[in-house]
Parts: sequence; structure tokens; C-alpha cells
Amino acid sequence: GQQLNQSPQSMFIQEGEDVSMNCTSSSIFNTWLWYKQDPGEGPVLLIALYKAGELTSNGRLTAQFGITRKDSFLNISASIPSDVGIYFCAGPGNAGGTSYGKLTFGQGTILTVHP
Amino acid sequence: DAGVIQSPRHEVTEMGQEVTLRCKPISGHDYLFWYRQTMMRGLELLIYFNNNVPIDDSGMPEDRFSAKMPNASFSTLKIQPSEPRDSAVYFCASSWRGEQYFGPGTRLTVT
Repeated sequence: GQQLNQSPQSMFIQEGEDVSMNCTSSSIFNTWLWYKQDPGEGPVLLIALYKAGELTSNGRLTAQFGITRKDSFLNISASIPSDVGIYFCAGPGNAGGTSYGKLTFGQGTILTVHP
Repeated sequence: DAGVIQSPRHEVTEMGQEVTLRCKPISGHDYLFWYRQTMMRGLELLIYFNNNVPIDDSGMPEDRFSAKMPNASFSTLKIQPSEPRDSAVYFCASSWRGEQYFGPGTRLTVT
């Protein structure tokens, strides 16, 4: 099945710093999704990417769909304490297929922000 | 829209009891997913439906687990009999055109 490698596994940063995390897949994707999970809550969709090379922003968050279609990046600028949580990348669960069905999730990046 | 609604939010039960988790997807969404999340195994897909029809139940751990979707606005995940190793957070998610939206989850504790 599809495999996603997400890195880093965890990050400890100071408030105000920028954050970068990435995800690579073993096969080509036509969609990349980024989620954030707060403690005790379900994952929340942050950004969806649909075209290779696409760069999309959502406030202080920016995500990019890699040109090779096998990777994606999420950046957070000027981090604040409420950015704390687990960030997941996700892509189609079926090789070469659309993401209309199941998704494959990365292992998650645990972000801790020190005030 | 209220988003995906799950009930109960917390469930504590004794080993051997039947547990039923409930989910109301977002109106208009044609896919529904059940996940389980634990520290050890992360987020696992148990089963998903398309237009109320089960498509892939290969993630269901064993016969003690069953899921139904009798109509477009309701689904259940049942565990019978429950065991302590079933303790986890269970999420329901729904999607239309690929973007999955998750419910708040049900935290299940089996003692």
C-alpha cells in the first residue's frame, strides 16, 4: 500500500520562530492534505493541494505540492503557543487513484512551542 | 453546518459488554470513515462507506467489530464483546471529493 514518511517526528521551538515539516511518498500523488490535531480533538483540515508546484497559504501556514508529486511541505511562520499540536500529512490511499476514497496518513509531527 | 457529530464523547465500560458508537456525517458527503487512534499504532482506518455501502473493511481488527450505515445521515460502529485492548479514541470522518472532515471522537475505555 501507500507509504508516507513525515519528518521531523517532533519539534521544540520558541514562540516567534518559523517551522518547516515535510512529507514524502513512495508513489506519485495527485492530492496532498495537511491536518492539525489539538489534544482531545479530531484532526482538522488546514490546507488541500491539488496541482504539482501549487503553493497555498492559510494565514501563517503555507503548504507546497512538490514538483515530483512525491512530496509536500508545510511551513508555519511566527509560531504562537496555540500552534501546539500534531500535524499530519495525508494523500490518496490507492496507488495512482483519486483521494475521493481512503487516505494514507503520515506518522505526524508533534509541535511544541515554548512561550 | 454542525460538522461531523459523534456520540458519546466518552464511554467507559466493562470487558465483555457491548459498545455502540454513533456518527452523523456532514450533510451531502458521500463517504464515511471510521478510524481508531492509539499512542502505539497512531491513526488506523477501520472501515469506510461510499453512498452507504461498505467499500473496504480490511482494517476491522476482528469479528467483534461491526459497522453499519443504514442511511446517508447515520452510522454505527459496534464492538461486541469489548476487551481492554479496544481502549482508544474512535473517530468518524466524512468527505466529498476527497477532503475528509473529522468528528471530535469517542474516547473508549474498557476496564
